[in-house]
Amino acid sequence: NAGVTQTPKFRVLKTGQSMTLLCAQDMNHEYMYWYRQDPGMGLRLIHYSVGEGTTAKGEVPDGYNVSRLKKQNFLLGLESAAPSQTSVYFCASSYPASDYEQYFGPGTRLTVT
Amino acid sequence: GNSVTQMEGPVTLSEEAFLTINCTYTATGYPSLFWYVQYPGEGLQLLLKATKADDKGSNKGFEATYRKETTSFHLEKGSVQVSDSAVYFCALSLPLQGAQKLVFGQGTRLTINP
Repeated sequence: NAGVTQTPKFRVLKTGQSMTLLCAQDMNHEYMYWYRQDPGMGLRLIHYSVGEGTTAKGEVPDGYNVSRLKKQNFLLGLESAAPSQTSVYFCASSYPASDYEQYFGPGTRLTVT
Repeated sequence: GNSVTQMEGPVTLSEEAFLTINCTYTATGYPSLFWYVQYPGEGLQLLLKATKADDKGSNKGFEATYRKETTSFHLEKGSVQVSDSAVYFCALSLPLQGAQKLVFGQGTRLTINP
């Protein structure tokens, strides 16, 4: 099993450009999450999904959109990138229970200039 | 609100030293508690967890006990190795409209010197 994979690993964008980050999991997990990691702030939840075709906002959703058209994939979109979105983005997935661990992907490092 | 506060880093120790990384939390209800570890260039991996008061989580020589009375979940290891160098995150888990919300501390960078 590959677990959780993320594409791309690195990306540099100019302000105003758009891009999509892809997350894929092969563990048949119902729940998927997108986080951003900034220095000294831990990870913060951007959006999450409790199943195919459903999405919801997390703590810091502004400037991002998501889609979950297939159970195994969770896409994070930036329509018009801003320097404040420079961060490391992590995708995670889990079974539907609060004491189950979340499995994380390796991350995407995004720089917006 | 719900929050996690970790001991500030970075922490530098010599091999075979005793490790403690402090973690305290504020939460409504009864969260599950986790320690995640992030090795250089990788995503987070679950190190250990505890789901109720007085539970002790353990893995790879690391331990942490869920202390409800002091709202703490301190991470300990009796003898650290160079391979333990990583960033450690304490987190609590709360229900979120059917899903699970993880609230993370800011992370503690640990460096072990040979």
